[in-house]
Amino acid sequence: KNEVEQSPQNLTAQEGEFITINCSYSVGISALHWLQQHPGGGIVSLFMLSSGKKKHGRLIATINIQEKHSSLHIPASHPRDSAVYICAVEGVPKLIFGTGTRLQVFP
Amino acid sequence: DVKVTQSSRYLVKRTGEKVFLECVQDMDHENMFWYRQDPGLGLRLIYFSYDVKMKEKGDIPEGYSVSREKKERFSLILESASTNQTSMYLCASSSYRQGYLIDGYTFGSGTRLTVV
Repeated sequence: KNEVEQSPQNLTAQEGEFITINCSYSVGISALHWLQQHPGGGIVSLFMLSSGKKKHGRLIATINIQEKHSSLHIPASHPRDSAVYICAVEGVPKLIFGTGTRLQVFP
Repeated sequence: DVKVTQSSRYLVKRTGEKVFLECVQDMDHENMFWYRQDPGLGLRLIYFSYDVKMKEKGDIPEGYSVSREKKERFSLILESASTNQTSMYLCASSSYRQGYLIDGYTFGSGTRLTVV
């Protein structure tokens, strides 16, 4: 069993839909990261959180430490949100990655 | 505004060649990492370094070595490239202060290596 599980693996949405991507982990962590990877490869760090909720533009990330679960929410999705979203947990000093969620948003 | 630079975007090498992938960061980060990314497997850690001349094996170090002679530069070496090393390679860096991660992780744009 992977230490970091994401769901769903693939997600297709119409523009304007509310998107939620889930991440569960089984190890103790100091922080959780949400990353975004566009076609072409480069990875951008969206969030680093250890409790509660954070916002990055329209995107919202929440974490529940007791339940070992995090969610990434994309309200009013747009085609430019199409990317792979990766959850990673911090195990000092390295990250443990989920396998990613491929999101496609159609106009 | 580029902070982690990988020397090549695309690379094609022949089986048995010695391959060098270079990564340079300008943020004075002490930690640097090499990952490979394959479909369905996500990112897997090959090697990391937490200081100059220091290195630690990651989850899949076989067939690879690394070099960190200067703080800003971390090189990944494929001693004798094989077709199963065809992959996307990503470099990253990070920094801790008093036990806390600062500024998150910064990734390079990746090198897509094809071994033929």
